[in-house]
Amino acid sequence: DSGVTQTPKHLITATGQRVTLRCSPRSGDLSVYWYQQSLDQGLQFLIQYYNGEERAKGNILERFSAQQFPDLHSELNLSSLELGDSALYFCASSVAWGSGEYEQYFGPGTRLTVT
Amino acid sequence: AQKITQTQPGMFVQEKEAVTLDCTYDTSDQSYGLFWYKQPSSGEMIFLIYQGSYDEQNATEGRYSLNFQKARKSANLVISASQLGDSAMYFCAMRAFGNEKLTFGTGTRLTIIP
Repeated sequence: DSGVTQTPKHLITATGQRVTLRCSPRSGDLSVYWYQQSLDQGLQFLIQYYNGEERAKGNILERFSAQQFPDLHSELNLSSLELGDSALYFCASSVAWGSGEYEQYFGPGTRLTVT
Repeated sequence: AQKITQTQPGMFVQEKEAVTLDCTYDTSDQSYGLFWYKQPSSGEMIFLIYQGSYDEQNATEGRYSLNFQKARKSANLVISASQLGDSAMYFCAMRAFGNEKLTFGTGTRLTIIP
């Protein structure tokens, strides 16, 4: 158990809908990262927050947004869902950001299926 | 830009044997970290081992060791005395210091045969 929690574990929804994925980082970790794992794209970095502020952006679609709250939990919002958004969405956390050596610990993931 | 290459899509290994999973990387960064993660069929990503680009010694964590050859830009994972529970996907990843994202390879599916 990495200490990172994600809810829900599974989510099935229809095209055009909007969903929210939730992540709680490990105790003491200030950085939260979101990744998408799909069959065709592999594991891709989406976005990172550190202590409530966005720090880095990857291949995140405009239909997707995220935020980190004062209690450090994070939410990833996916809207106008398409079939291609079906994937496993991971949240990861780490104690720091920027230069330096630190690991990212991953949550169990949320499997999103868009029908 | 960073790139991770894992050339072995699948491997079958007899239980109790050692196995080496290959990983080569490409980066122009001078300072970076290399990571290996395990993804069992249940889906979670489990951190296994880390190697910093300035570390002179190869990293070890229990049965896992990382064969780091900086000049060849390779960071192979060695699993000693493989067990049935080692059957999983294994991902090599890297992060340049000062860059937040992990860049992952395509993974190697390891199957341990009893």
